[in-house]
Amino acid sequence: EIVLTQSPGTLSLSPGERATLSCRASQSVTSSYLAWYQQKPGQAPRLLIYGASSRATGIPDRFSGSGSGTDFTLTISRLEPEDFAVYYCQQYGRSPPMYTFGQGTKLEIK
Amino acid sequence: QVQLQESGPGLVKPSGTLSLTCAVSGGSITNNKWWMWVRQSPGKGLEWIGEIFHSGSTNYNPSLKSRVTISVDKSKNQFSLNLSSVTAADTAVYYCARDSEAGYSLDYWGQGTLVTVSS
Repeated sequence: EIVLTQSPGTLSLSPGERATLSCRASQSVTSSYLAWYQQKPGQAPRLLIYGASSRATGIPDRFSGSGSGTDFTLTISRLEPEDFAVYYCQQYGRSPPMYTFGQGTKLEIK
Repeated sequence: QVQLQESGPGLVKPSGTLSLTCAVSGGSITNNKWWMWVRQSPGKGLEWIGEIFHSGSTNYNPSLKSRVTISVDKSKNQFSLNLSSVTAADTAVYYCARDSEAGYSLDYWGQGTLVTVSS
């Protein structure tokens, strides 16, 4: 089973700044199988990025995903007040078929 | 626009069975997608429970496999989760979700339902 480790655990930034969130896998992940989600308190997660770098429908272009192999990154180019939330990476594995999530990065207002 | 809605008891006794249903609207459950359950313990991260295809094929999280059954009712456009022998560790918000158009990610989610395991 592939383990995803996200860093940092908490990121304190101000609106307008750039945020860089990391997701490291314990073994190589197929890029097509890597996704990112945003979750706000009391809400379900929202899909931001799929296939490591493709934005989901309706996601602003300040969100971008990159990476390959074991290292993936979610970048928010200029933080808006509504971007402060918890972010999760997720991968799909075939043996056995299952999804796993990272432990999350909390993006908080500085 | 696909919508998912979870329903079921909010309180289950220890050693009992947790049973939830996810009603799908705005689309057919037979639309070549996998439908899944994900849970989130209070203040914790996300844990994938399992998935089902409209044919009845399933995949489960190995850590829960011995206790989980996911089924589909095409006539009602819904799918269900049964988790047996529950303990306090199964207390969580349970979400149903759908595999995305691109695959390998979850694009539609229910709002989640809190299930507490307590006597």
